[in-house]
Amino acid sequence: DAGVIQSPRHEVTEMGQEVTLRCKPISGHDYLFWYRQTMMRGLELLIYFNNNVPIDDSGMPEDRFSAKMPNASFSTLKIQPSEPRDSAVYFCASSSGGLTSDTQYFGPGTRLTVL
Amino acid sequence: QKEVEQDPGPLSVPEGAIVSLNCTYSNSAFQYFMWYRQYSRKGPELLMYTYSSGNKEDGRFTAQVDKSSKYISLFIRDSQPSDSATYLCAMSNTNAGKSTFGDGTTLTVKP
Repeated sequence: DAGVIQSPRHEVTEMGQEVTLRCKPISGHDYLFWYRQTMMRGLELLIYFNNNVPIDDSGMPEDRFSAKMPNASFSTLKIQPSEPRDSAVYFCASSSGGLTSDTQYFGPGTRLTVL
Repeated sequence: QKEVEQDPGPLSVPEGAIVSLNCTYSNSAFQYFMWYRQYSRKGPELLMYTYSSGNKEDGRFTAQVDKSSKYISLFIRDSQPSDSATYLCAMSNTNAGKSTFGDGTTLTVKP
């Protein structure tokens, strides 16, 4: 298996633009997580899905952020409109047994820069 | 005050040393305690997790939880240069629930 796949790996955009981050979880995993990591705030869980259904989105910072999982093999995190403070590395992770399962795997991340 | 405080580091040790990484927390509802390892420009990887108090050992790694003191530790024995990474502690109060992460401690093991 190729592991968790994220695209793009790097994204540079201007304030106000829409940004869409993509994730393909490991086949067979039924949990998918979106995280954000910054120097100031560390690693934060934004939202997670179980069997394509959002379970907890309390970490989503504001309405400009939205996430979808239309099927078991694809998820998106969208920011509209983007702001400079959204600059961070965004990680997607998947697992087969929930947050504390030892089968949780992170993708390589998308490094987002909003100018 | 943050819910989870982690020793900030950075930490630099010689190869073969015993390393102790520590976190304290304030939320007594936390039941699940995790340690992640993150290499530079990579995603974190779950290293160990523990439910409630006690110790858990996996090879050179030992995770320890003391709920009475709200204190968790990760010990690395016979540290290797390949252990050089940032270590993050994380905690949650439900399985498959929202985790709260520490800010990470960066460890360098010198050959």
